[in-house]
Formats: sequence, C-alpha cells, structure tokens
Amino acid sequence: DQQVKQNSPSLSVQEGRISILNCDYTNSMFDYFLWYKKYPAEGPTFLISISSIKDKNEDGRFTVFLNKSAKHLSLHIVPSQPGDSAVYFCAATTTQGGSEKLVFGKGMKLTVNP
Amino acid sequence: EPEVTQTPSHQVTQMGQEVILRCVPISNHLYFYWYRQILGQKVEFLVSFYNNEISEKSEIFDDQFSVERPDGSNFTLKIRSTKLEDSAMYFCASSEPREGGRAYEQFFGPGTRLTVL
Repeated sequence: DQQVKQNSPSLSVQEGRISILNCDYTNSMFDYFLWYKKYPAEGPTFLISISSIKDKNEDGRFTVFLNKSAKHLSLHIVPSQPGDSAVYFCAATTTQGGSEKLVFGKGMKLTVNP
Repeated sequence: EPEVTQTPSHQVTQMGQEVILRCVPISNHLYFYWYRQILGQKVEFLVSFYNNEISEKSEIFDDQFSVERPDGSNFTLKIRSTKLEDSAMYFCASSEPREGGRAYEQFFGPGTRLTVL
C-alpha cells in the first residue's frame, strides 16, 4: 500500500546549493501535505506543510510546491546547510471525512557536504 | 519550546509479556496519536485519541493494543502480549485544536524503541 511514495532513497548535495526532495501520492482524497525531518534517535520534526488550495508555501529556506494534477509535491531547501543532513519524510492526510492519520512515505536521506 | 516526551527510550521484553509505553503530549494539545516504525519501513499510523476515546485506529491496532489517558498529562500505549513482530520504534504525537476541528500538523516525541526477544 504505497499511497505516498518517495522514490529516491537518498540525495547528496554541496553546501550552499539547492536540495530538491520529491514526493508522489496516489490517493485523491489527500488534500493536506506535510514534510518532516528526522535525525537519528529522534522523532520526526515538523518542517512545513501545504494545503491543496495552494501550490506553494514558503518558510525561510524551505519551500514546498504542490502540483495537484500530477499528484506531486517537492521540497526545496535553498541554500542547503550541513545541519540539514537528515531523513526527510513526506506525509499526507485528508481534511475531509474525519480521518486523522498521517500517511508517510519511506523517507529520503539528505546529505549536505561542506 | 514545548515538546512531546516519551519514556522509556528503550524497552526490552520477552515475547508474551505486557509492555506499557508512556507519552506526555504537549500540554494544550487535545489530539493524541501513536505511530510505529519497523526498522527499514515506513512510519505507520496505529491509533488516534480525542476526548477520552479512540477516534480512529488502523488494522495493526488489534485487541492486543490499548490506549489510555490515565490523568491530565500522560497518554499510554499498552501491548498485552508482545510478539516478535511488535519490535519497532513507537512514536507518540499530538496536535492542537484549531477553529472548526483539529490542526493537521502533528508533533512527535523522540520514540521508544521496543525490542521483543
């Protein structure tokens, strides 16, 4: 059951460059999307979210883009910093129908090299 | 900054034993959740809890699992008779209310690593 897919398991970028993390979803009921960052031995930390009524949401160095027709979202980190090295999870939920669960992708490991 | 806390950080138990995992959600949050992550797999939803009752549960959350909010601060997950396949990281999360319902951003604790031998 892969309703949320992060097809690339890892990404390596140089400090200062852009990191682009991709996520695809299959469930048309999803209308709210979140990105979480996870360091080893810690829980997922909420990073940024976007509602399906928007196509872009920006918070500092982090921007999330949503393409509803393609059922695709991406997280851009500009400029990337070594402290951004972590596993990034895409998650989705529906704001309709009362379901409260977040459905997660498998995660992508980002390494930012100094 | 307020955060979700979980105890213990690591629990080792024998198959068939009962375990209780404890969580203290963020104080003004009203919605509580348990998720788990088996090594190498996705974070999976187990159960959500609101207004002192389960509001949603997954297929994983069978009769061996139960949740409780025994007082105004703690939220617990009990596994009555643990199996080898229950070995995983268990994350507690909470979210605040917002006008018209819940907020969708969930804030996670650091997790409890459960090892069933």
